Amino acid sequence: AQSVTQLGSHVSVSEGALVLLRCNYSSSVPPYLFWYVQYPNQGLQLLLKYTSAATLVKGINGFEAEFKKSETSFHLTKPSAHMSDAAEYFCAVSVGAGGYNKLIFGAGTRLAVHP
Amino acid sequence: DTGVSQDPRHKITKRGQNVTFRCDPISEHNRLYWYRQTLGQGPEFLTYFQNEAQLEKSRLLSDRFSAERPKGSFSTLEIQRTEQGDSAMYLCASSTTGTNTQYFGPGTRLTVL
Repeated sequence: AQSVTQLGSHVSVSEGALVLLRCNYSSSVPPYLFWYVQYPNQGLQLLLKYTSAATLVKGINGFEAEFKKSETSFHLTKPSAHMSDAAEYFCAVSVGAGGYNKLIFGAGTRLAVHP
Repeated sequence: DTGVSQDPRHKITKRGQNVTFRCDPISEHNRLYWYRQTLGQGPEFLTYFQNEAQLEKSRLLSDRFSAERPKGSFSTLEIQRTEQGDSAMYLCASSTTGTNTQYFGPGTRLTVL
């Protein structure tokens, strides 16, 4: 069965520092992988997705993620954190049969950015 | 394209009452999903519609929960005889055939007292 594990429920960085949020997946078939961001009391906004094209995926707001099959990982990075990046981040794997795709989410990582 | 909308944004109810939430997907999106998110957790899949047909229901969707999508447009999620454990954020998402990207609404936060 497909699953997602996000390592670290809380990550704290200084403004301008590298952001690294970790995600490992388990899938019996080639996965579709997603990163979403959630600001307080809001829905989820798609940051980026991997759909078996390029292994390095660029998303919005300067984020990118690299798909590594050998490590079953899809870690999210950003070279320089901004205060506005403080939010909760969710990694998800797509699970589908019959042509649709429900998402299986990790537990999330809360990112704090300090001045 | 106005995005996915949900109504109400917040709902406070007493245990035992019935509540109904509405989701309006992005126009022409034929796929609609409901998820539930409890505090400190990622969203969990509840149910899926393709057009008006409900094609999958999670075991999380007890018999107190019912969802509909008449005419394949908006959807409603009803919870009967609410319990305190139903307190959560209920998220709706939509997508279209041929893409695997789901777009989420702002959610309805339910508090059961």
